[in-house]
Amino acid sequence: AQTVTQSQPEMSVQEAETVTLSCTYDTSESDYYLFWYKQPPSRQMILVIRQEAYKQQNATENRFSVNFQKAAKSFSLKISDSQLGDAAMYFCAYSDGSQGNLIFGKGTKLSVKP
Amino acid sequence: NAGVTQTPKFQVLKTGQSMTLQCAQDMNHEYMSWYRQDPGMGLRLIHYSVGAGITDQGEVPNGYNVSRSTTEDFPLRLLSAAPSQTSVYFCASSYLGALYNEQFFGPGTRLTVL
Repeated sequence: AQTVTQSQPEMSVQEAETVTLSCTYDTSESDYYLFWYKQPPSRQMILVIRQEAYKQQNATENRFSVNFQKAAKSFSLKISDSQLGDAAMYFCAYSDGSQGNLIFGKGTKLSVKP
Repeated sequence: NAGVTQTPKFQVLKTGQSMTLQCAQDMNHEYMSWYRQDPGMGLRLIHYSVGAGITDQGEVPNGYNVSRSTTEDFPLRLLSAAPSQTSVYFCASSYLGALYNEQFFGPGTRLTVL
């Protein structure tokens, strides 16, 4: 069975600095999708960025980028120029894409210090 | 478009009571699903559906029933609530296709079982 592991329960970053959140996963599939979701205190689940396993190029979305290492089964999220609004829970998630079912990690709580 | 809507937003039940959490989407999505989120855990899949009349179990289906009589609605039923079902429940929906399609999440229902 596929699993997703986030080893950092909490992280802290200074405003305007860069922070990297870690995620590892386990799967025997060759085609799959990886995601980072943001959950602010409002508890709304917001898709931050996604990566298709068949793409070698790392995905980027404005200040958010990923480091996808397929052989190592690692998928980290880098947030550049951190802003107070980035403070939230961040979840790494996996899908094999066949039906859309997501497998989530336990999350990392990110605090941003002014 | 209203997107994915969930009712109620909050609910308190006594052990043994039954209730239905409502989920509706107006995007004509084939795929709908229910997740639960517990403290310190990521979201875990309860049940999902790939179309009207088709449902299947996820990771944690015990104690929950679902049905899908229309494309728009996917209610989650608790037949006899237990304290272990205290959680935040999220409904999600997406298109189905050859490639992964983004899932849209509802705002969540916070359920407390006393």
